[in-house]
Amino acid sequence: DAKTTQPPSMDCAEGRAANLPCNHSTISGNEYVYWYRQIHSQGPQYIIHGLKNNETNEMASLIITEDRKSSTLILPHATLRDTAVYYCIAGSSNTGKLIFGQGTTLQVKP
Amino acid sequence: GAGVSQSPSNKVTEKGKDVELRCDPISGHTALYWYRQSLGQGLEFLIYFQGNSAPDKSGLPSDRFSAERTGGSVSTLTIQRTQQEDSAVYLCASRTRTSGRLEGGNEQFFGPGTRLTVL
Repeated sequence: DAKTTQPPSMDCAEGRAANLPCNHSTISGNEYVYWYRQIHSQGPQYIIHGLKNNETNEMASLIITEDRKSSTLILPHATLRDTAVYYCIAGSSNTGKLIFGQGTTLQVKP
Repeated sequence: GAGVSQSPSNKVTEKGKDVELRCDPISGHTALYWYRQSLGQGLEFLIYFQGNSAPDKSGLPSDRFSAERTGGSVSTLTIQRTQQEDSAVYLCASRTRTSGRLEGGNEQFFGPGTRLTVL
C-alpha cells in the first residue's frame, strides 16, 4: 500500500472551506484514495473515496490531481463538529485494507 | 439498521491473563477487519477476513494474538498472556463487497471499539 503524507495540523474558521492536502506520490494504478475522520473517542468515519476523477458527496469533495500523486479533501462549510483527525489513505481496491498514517488534526474555530 | 457492535466496551485485565474481544459486523458484510489504536497513536491494521478465504494476518504484532471468524459473521480477537503494551482501543470494521458507485472502493463501517487496559 502506498504511503501518504499529510500536514500534522490545520486550523479553519467556522463557516469557511477547509482544504486538507495529501501526497501519495507512490500510489499504484489500482489503489483508491480514501478519506476517513476520527472524532475524539469515536471509531473512524468514512468520508469519501476516489480513483481518478473528482468526487463529491453530502459530506465533502475530493479533488485528485491528474497524475494521482496528490489529492485535496474539501469540507465546503466547516462547522465546530468537523473538528477531528482526518486520514488520507491509499488502499487496495481488492482487500479494502486500510493502512492509517498519522493524519491531519483539523481544528475548526469559532 | 444496526451498525458494527463490539463487546465488551471496556476490559481491564492483569498482565499475563488471556482476553477475548468480540465483534458483530453488519449483517451481510463479507469483509471484517481488526485494528488497534494505542494512546495518542494512529490506527494499526491487525487482521482481515474476506468470506471463506484465508485471513490476512500480516498486521498481528506477535503470536500471542489470534482471531477467528465463525460462520462468516461474528469475530473474536484473542490475546494470550497479555502485556502492558497491549493496552489500546481495539476497533473492528466491516465492509460489503457489493459494488457501489465506485466498484471495489466500498467504505468500512467501524464499531465503537473495546478499550483494553492491562495492569
